[in-house]
Amino acid sequence: AQTVTQSQPEMSVQEAETVTLSCTYDTSESNYYLFWYKQPPSRQMILVIRQEAYKQQNATENRFSVNFQKAAKSFSLKISDSQLGDTAMYFCAFMKHGRTSGTYKYIFGTGTRLKVLA
Amino acid sequence: NAGVMQNPRHLVRRRGQEARLRCSPMKGHSHVYWYRQLPEEGLKFMVYLQKENIIDESGMPKERFSAEFPKEGPSILRIQQVVRGDSAAYFCASSTTTGTSYGYTFGSGTRLTVV
Repeated sequence: AQTVTQSQPEMSVQEAETVTLSCTYDTSESNYYLFWYKQPPSRQMILVIRQEAYKQQNATENRFSVNFQKAAKSFSLKISDSQLGDTAMYFCAFMKHGRTSGTYKYIFGTGTRLKVLA
Repeated sequence: NAGVMQNPRHLVRRRGQEARLRCSPMKGHSHVYWYRQLPEEGLKFMVYLQKENIIDESGMPKERFSAEFPKEGPSILRIQQVVRGDSAAYFCASSTTTGTSYGYTFGSGTRLTVV
């Protein structure tokens, strides 16, 4: 069974600084997808960034980038130029296609609470 | 497109009562997924439904929980005889076909509190 581990329950960073959130996962699959989601106090789940396992190039979305190490099963999120609005819970998620269900399902980590300090 | 709509946003039930959570998928979507987020945890898959069919309920508790997605109307997640451990946020997502690897759009969730 797949598992996703986020070992940092809480982190803080000064505004305008860079922070890296770590995520490791365990799977025997070769084809899968990885995501980072942001959950602010409003509870909305906001997709931050997505990575396809068969692509070696790390995904980037503006100030957000990932360091994907497939052999190490590591998928960390780097936030550059942190802003107060980045304060939220961040969830790492693994997704694969289920042969039985015929659909894609997520497995989420337990989250990292990030606080950006003014 | 109004997105995935869930209601109510907050629901308080006493132990032993029934909770009914509603999810209206995005327009044109006929597949619905329910996830549960217990306090201080990530979302966990519960059930995947197509119109009038339950496709995968591998994440549903064996008792007291049921889900439906009728031909007309929203998908309903029903919890009978609620207990304190059912207190959680319940999220719904939808898709047009049998899922997508690009990630789902979730509704804003229903926070169920059992007192």
